[in-house]
Amino acid sequence: SQTIHQWPATLVQPVGSPLSLECTVEGTSNPNLYWYRQAAGRGLQLLFYSVGIGQISSEVPQNLSASRPQDRQFILSSKKLLLSDSGFYLCACPRGGGRTGELFFGEGSRLTVL
Amino acid sequence: GDSVTQMEGPVTLSEEAFLTINCTYTATGYPSLFWYVQYPGEGLQLLLKATKADDKGSNKGFEATYRKETTSFHLEKGSVQVSDSAVYFCALRGYNNNDMRFGAGTRLTVKP
Repeated sequence: SQTIHQWPATLVQPVGSPLSLECTVEGTSNPNLYWYRQAAGRGLQLLFYSVGIGQISSEVPQNLSASRPQDRQFILSSKKLLLSDSGFYLCACPRGGGRTGELFFGEGSRLTVL
Repeated sequence: GDSVTQMEGPVTLSEEAFLTINCTYTATGYPSLFWYVQYPGEGLQLLLKATKADDKGSNKGFEATYRKETTSFHLEKGSVQVSDSAVYFCALRGYNNNDMRFGAGTRLTVKP
């Protein structure tokens, strides 16, 4: 069955420090992968999506970046975190190869920047 | 571009009350429409969906009808329970698009 592993689950980082959040997908091959952010009091914002290894589309200009070094691995990074980067980060991929249109989400990584 | 607008929360109801959360969308063509639910401390999971006009999605007592004439996909439940307390997201996937657009989310609290 399809699973998404995200880590770390919780992270507290000082302003200006680097960031690396990892997402690994199992049970599917060559999936589209997505990073969403849910900030306090705000909705779900699409940050990046990838249709294949090394292919990244950015939705919102910011100090975050994404990389896809392997088919089922998606990494969200920052060189210097800002307070506004705090939020709940969710990795997602299409369920069942995309036939249903539904997205399947990981359990998220909660980032607090102090 | 495609977008979703949903009713701002928070919404607080008593157990067994009727629930409506409004959702309208803007999209070209014929998008697929979804409701996702996020229980406290968890990721999102699909609640229901509809892929064409006049389709009704339903699950766990919740329903939503894809209304193309009003570009809406309102979520309803006749009798809410405390366990329905969660954040609800309306979303759309445009035809031939790679991504999914979400509304801002509506936090529902049901009190006993």
